[in-house]
Amino acid sequence: GAGVSQSPSNKVTEKGKDVELRCDPISGHTALYWYRQSLGQGLEFLIYFQGNSAPDKSGLPSDRFSAERTGGSVSTLTIQRTQQEDSAVYLCASGLRQGNMNTEAFFGQGTRLTVV
Amino acid sequence: KQEVTQIPAALSVPEGENLVLNCSFTDSAIYNLQWFRQDPGKGLTSLLLIQSSQREQTSGRLNASLDKSSGRSTLYIAASQPGDSATYLCAVKDGNNRLAFGKGNQVVVIP
Repeated sequence: GAGVSQSPSNKVTEKGKDVELRCDPISGHTALYWYRQSLGQGLEFLIYFQGNSAPDKSGLPSDRFSAERTGGSVSTLTIQRTQQEDSAVYLCASGLRQGNMNTEAFFGQGTRLTVV
Repeated sequence: KQEVTQIPAALSVPEGENLVLNCSFTDSAIYNLQWFRQDPGKGLTSLLLIQSSQREQTSGRLNASLDKSSGRSTLYIAASQPGDSATYLCAVKDGNNRLAFGKGNQVVVIP
């Protein structure tokens, strides 16, 4: 596809349930990021994948949050035993690597998660 | 920890006026700086990317400057239009490839 694709666009779940959010990055992009945007807050870094390297998980808020990236492409963010404070927009971004750094980041439309 | 601040948080201007949006960051050891636009309920659209070695970037009516040593960037939007109404986000990339975001400048252009 032409851009970063995220699914579902909206998700309503009951407190205590597990949810999976999916991100399809731009083809050929080796870097993939997950961010969270809560109402009235800035974007909060969650996790970063680069190629086959070990991911940077330093932003994950608790052990209920985990993410995988299969085959260096599609990524899934899983939230177990959801809580109301997990309600937010979850944004995925991808980018190319140039030397040791990544260049421009391109974001998807996000998944709006509501925990009721 | 990198802290990014955007001032003003919100502003309204009449159509045709120039917009000046400010971004400051606490750690000058950045790799690049990116300005994004976010419309309500939507994702982020990249507007301009400035590498740490650059002073400015221009795209159409948009111009972004970067003063890395003082930790500042400014986004100028010339001759604003109602379609420019959105939230503008500034993000700096650190040496670990993480983007640190400000909370945004919410802009309303009044026809």
